[in-house]
Amino acid sequence: GQNIDQPTEMTATEGAIVQINCTYQTSGFNGLFWYQQHAGEAPTFLSYNVLDGLEEKGRFSSFLSRSKGYSYLLLKELQMKDSASYLCAVRESNTDKLIFGTGTRLQVFP
Amino acid sequence: DADVTQTPRNRITKTGKRIMLECSQTKGHDRMYWYRQDPGLGLRLIYYSFDVKDINKGEISDGYSVSRQAQAKFSLSLESAIPNQTALYFCATSDLGQGGRETQYFGPGTRLLVL
Repeated sequence: GQNIDQPTEMTATEGAIVQINCTYQTSGFNGLFWYQQHAGEAPTFLSYNVLDGLEEKGRFSSFLSRSKGYSYLLLKELQMKDSASYLCAVRESNTDKLIFGTGTRLQVFP
Repeated sequence: DADVTQTPRNRITKTGKRIMLECSQTKGHDRMYWYRQDPGLGLRLIYYSFDVKDINKGEISDGYSVSRQAQAKFSLSLESAIPNQTALYFCATSDLGQGGRETQYFGPGTRLLVL
């Protein structure tokens, strides 16, 4: 079956670091994506991992362990504008479809 | 100009009515998708199309149909709308990039209310 799990909500303080975890079980694996979605807006692409390890892009980093079916998104030097939902999505290798998790709503407080 | 546009942006309709949501893209992508988003359920795939002659059902296609009129246009129809189709609908496009990296680009969404 297909299952992607991520926490429903998280809170953090401005300037801090937060890690959002994602675990998955899917029919084949061909890449993991993280998207950011502000309330009422469209999701926007943040990162892509297909090989094990860490991908860093500015304040955001994403890690993947395929053997553990696990990824995390790390946000450093949090800003108020980082308050949003963060969606983990896995691409199935046999269909090329993206399967989305339900998203983690992050609230950043001053 | 936005690369992926959706019309209408908001729509209120009554149970039993037929409605069409339209999506257009200027990115030149072959792949297009329709999702719906409900609170607590995340994004769920309704239909997807990998080129003009290719249409595939997603996980929740019942009650919906689609038409890929051209590479740039992908329409979603609700033949007879029902209240539990009230949701936020997103169109997305993608193209296979280097190393199989395929990023989906989302339209602004259509907020649909079925009374």
